[in-house]
Amino acid sequence: EVQLVESGGGLVQPGGSLRLSCAASGFTFSSFSMNWVRQAPGRGLEWVSYISSNSGAIYYADSVKGRFTISRDNAKDSMYLQMSSLRAEDTAVYFCAGGNSRVPDYWGQGTLVTVSS
Amino acid sequence: DIQMTQSPSSLSASVGDRVTITCRASQGISNYLAWYQQKPGKIPKLLIYAASTLQSGVPSRFSGSKSGTDFTLTISSLQPEDVATYYCQKYNSAPFTFGGGTKVEIK
Repeated sequence: EVQLVESGGGLVQPGGSLRLSCAASGFTFSSFSMNWVRQAPGRGLEWVSYISSNSGAIYYADSVKGRFTISRDNAKDSMYLQMSSLRAEDTAVYFCAGGNSRVPDYWGQGTLVTVSS
Repeated sequence: DIQMTQSPSSLSASVGDRVTITCRASQGISNYLAWYQQKPGKIPKLLIYAASTLQSGVPSRFSGSKSGTDFTLTISSLQPEDVATYYCQKYNSAPFTFGGGTKVEIK
C-alpha cells in the first residue's frame, strides 16, 4: 500500500524557518515525481513545488521562490521542504503528493504549518 | 503564467442531476489537465487526468472533456457521496496551477 506521511509542521514566528519531511513507503519512491501542495484554512489547493524522480527538475510557485527549497533522498525514501522567511500567508496544511507522472495520484494526510507571533 | 479559471465557484443540484464544472486555461495546455475531488475534511483524490482519462476505481458517472482551452468535468447523475469541492490542475509546464475550486452541494 502506498503511504506518504508528512511531519515537521508546527507553530513558527514570522521570519522563522521550518523543515517539512515526507516519508514514503509501499512503492518505489525513486520512480515517483513529487510535489508539495498547500491549503490555507478554508481555502483552495495551491501548488507549491515539484521535484522529479532524480531531482533533475525542480520548480517553485512564485509565492515561495527564493524562500523554500525542495529536496529528496531516494536512499531514505524521503522528500523535504526547507521553508525560511516564513510569513503569515504561508499558514496552511502542507501535503506531499506524488506519482509516476507529473500528476500526483497519491497524497499524504498533510501537516499543519502555522506562522504567527 | 497560465491562469486556470474554474466556474462556477459553487453549485447546488438535486440527486440524479447532471452537473458540469468548467476550467478555462488562459493559454493552450494541450490535454495536460487533471481533476481532483476533495470531500470535507479529507485529502484530494485524483479523478481524471489527461483531460478525459478516468483514474482507476473512479465511478463512470464522472467524465472529462476538452474543447480548445476549455475543460469540463461532468457528473452524469449526481449522488449524495459526490458532495465535495472539485479542482482542476494544469501540468503541462510549471507552475502546476490549480483552479479555484467548485463546491458541489445537494439541493
